Amino acid sequence: DVKVTQSSRYLVKRTGEKVFLECVQDMDHENMFWYRQDPGLGLRLIYFSYDVKMKEKGDIPEGYSVSREKKERFSLILESASTNQTSMYLCATKLFTGTGGYNEQFFGPGTRLTVL
Amino acid sequence: QQPVQSPQAVILREGEDAVINCSSSKALYSVHWYRQKHGEAPVFLMILLKGGEQKGHEKISASFNEKKQQSSLYLTASQLSYSGTYFCGTEDMRFGAGTRLTVKP
Repeated sequence: DVKVTQSSRYLVKRTGEKVFLECVQDMDHENMFWYRQDPGLGLRLIYFSYDVKMKEKGDIPEGYSVSREKKERFSLILESASTNQTSMYLCATKLFTGTGGYNEQFFGPGTRLTVL
Repeated sequence: QQPVQSPQAVILREGEDAVINCSSSKALYSVHWYRQKHGEAPVFLMILLKGGEQKGHEKISASFNEKKQQSSLYLTASQLSYSGTYFCGTEDMRFGAGTRLTVKP
């Protein structure tokens, strides 16, 4: 079974803090993604990575950065957390088999981040 | 660009049917469907690749229109276990806003 783990299920931080959300997968998938999920807005893509040390901006990258030093690990960084970044954050992975993206994504359990 | 889903929410009694729609302003290479139960991660249901395609199980199936701009998810004779939020996704990993399905006894 594909396993995608996220470092915390619940996290509470203060405004201005630097926050790290970690995602680790054990299936050797090339592609990894970070989404935030908010009621009524669904899953919105923040950043994704096609390979180690590669990253691409998604639809809402402002206020976030990412790091992928190893294939199995993809980190989301909130440089200076703000209250509007309170949300559920989901990591996902996908096997790459050429252009077209025809493989399913596997999601982690999510991290519910509250910024006070 | 995110696909557009409708309806936003639907409430059913057990045994009733539901249809969830997903549309895009441009033709898609593929459309994916996922279900997320409360407090859990989204789980893949199926993918459609071809215009005019229909696939799925007996009670949960989906279609992809010829122009590949619309897909529908059909839930037949719904069960309590069908409750959750359903998302459609595109090949560039964008998702719709979701449809919350509640099945009541």
